[in-house]
Amino acid sequence: NAGVMQNPRHLVRRRGQEARLRCSPMKGHSHVYWYRQLPEEGLKFMVYLQKENIIDESGMPKERFSAEFPKEGPSILRIQQVVRGDSAAYFCASSPSTTAGNTIYFGEGSWLTVV
Amino acid sequence: DAKTTQPTSMDCAEGRAANLPCNHSTISGNEYVYWYRQIHSQGPQYIIHGLKNNETNEMASLIITEDRKSSTLILPHATLRDTAVYYCIVRVEGGGSNYKLTFGKGTLLTVNP
Repeated sequence: NAGVMQNPRHLVRRRGQEARLRCSPMKGHSHVYWYRQLPEEGLKFMVYLQKENIIDESGMPKERFSAEFPKEGPSILRIQQVVRGDSAAYFCASSPSTTAGNTIYFGEGSWLTVV
Repeated sequence: DAKTTQPTSMDCAEGRAANLPCNHSTISGNEYVYWYRQIHSQGPQYIIHGLKNNETNEMASLIITEDRKSSTLILPHATLRDTAVYYCIVRVEGGGSNYKLTFGKGTLLTVNP
């Protein structure tokens, strides 16, 4: 059973460009979470999604950031007009339906560098 | 905010047991204790979780006190590859409003040769 797959693993963007990070949850998992880890800081929750629904986006910056988890395909975290402060590791995690015990498993992360 | 308290750092000799403590004095009756670790430049790795009984798997053992206000993660034979930041997190399993993991600063465990 493949784990949570994230790509790209490393992404370099110039200021003002867009960054798209993709996450394929584990097989059978319908819940996706995105976390951000700034350099030398802890993991911060960004957003929690179920298929086609954003459940909790309380950790998302108000502007430039968006997330989706369509019916088909991976979850996407999109950052528009990137700035140097967006440079961080972005981790995706997934869990199965909450009715069956929902341990959360993480991917290996996508490292965004804004130059 | 995280609802757990952990030491900032610990050291352990290779081959010895590593015992990582965690205080969670405000834990609710339906909250589980979860342990994750993060090796440098990798994603957080799930280790183990439990409610009130002690738990053991291939990675570690989890000892929860009877009053559930604290717990200890035990790595029975630590190796250099166990050097990581270990996070103790309380969370409701199976839904509810506390579905997400809230990470604190964790404990940096350094396993020395």
